[in-house]
Amino acid sequence: GQQLNQSPQSMFIQEGEDVSMNCTSSSIFNTWLWYKQDPGEGPVLLIALYKAGELTSNGRLTAQFGITRKDSFLNISASIPSDVGIYFCAGPPTNDYKLSFGAGTTVTVRA
Amino acid sequence: DTGVSQNPRHKITKRGQNVTFRCDPISEHNRLYWYRQTLGQGPEFLTYFQNEAQLEKSRLLSDRFSAERPKGSFSTLEIQRTEQGDSAMYLCASSLNREKLFFGSGTQLSVL
Repeated sequence: GQQLNQSPQSMFIQEGEDVSMNCTSSSIFNTWLWYKQDPGEGPVLLIALYKAGELTSNGRLTAQFGITRKDSFLNISASIPSDVGIYFCAGPPTNDYKLSFGAGTTVTVRA
Repeated sequence: DTGVSQNPRHKITKRGQNVTFRCDPISEHNRLYWYRQTLGQGPEFLTYFQNEAQLEKSRLLSDRFSAERPKGSFSTLEIQRTEQGDSAMYLCASSLNREKLFFGSGTQLSVL
């Protein structure tokens, strides 16, 4: 599948801090999705983005569809312990329906 | 519960045995996907059904793997003659449109 690069691979943050992570691709995407996965569970859809430049929020989460259509960003504001988990970006490259996933960003929150 | 349901949640088997996993998608979703996930990686596409038709299989899906969705509702994934390299989380997802996939909790397979 297409290569999606997520950065950073992992992060330790203090409770209450804001978190930023990003995802880049060598291919143009028409849709960007952000998922969160808890240990032993399947990924849960957080945010879907459909237009270049689009900024969408879901509670304390905000995601942006990059204007080049080759990147996306996810921000978590005022992190809390339940934000712990692995965050994946995903998308179907142009002319494909299969989702490609990044390797994930692991977030650990220090109380 | 109207989410995607997968059974069993965990399966431990000996090398060479056959295993079968079941997925019940969200009822109105006509698209069903199987993915595999290993530690430290994102999910990787295995196969895709639209209704009962299997429309694509990844090269990751060797001849030992077979998936069915006989009536366009639930699906099964069978692995024959399991190998240690088959150990992974097997995830099922369903969708109504092409992009927004909803995943089940997965079946964690351990091959000893």
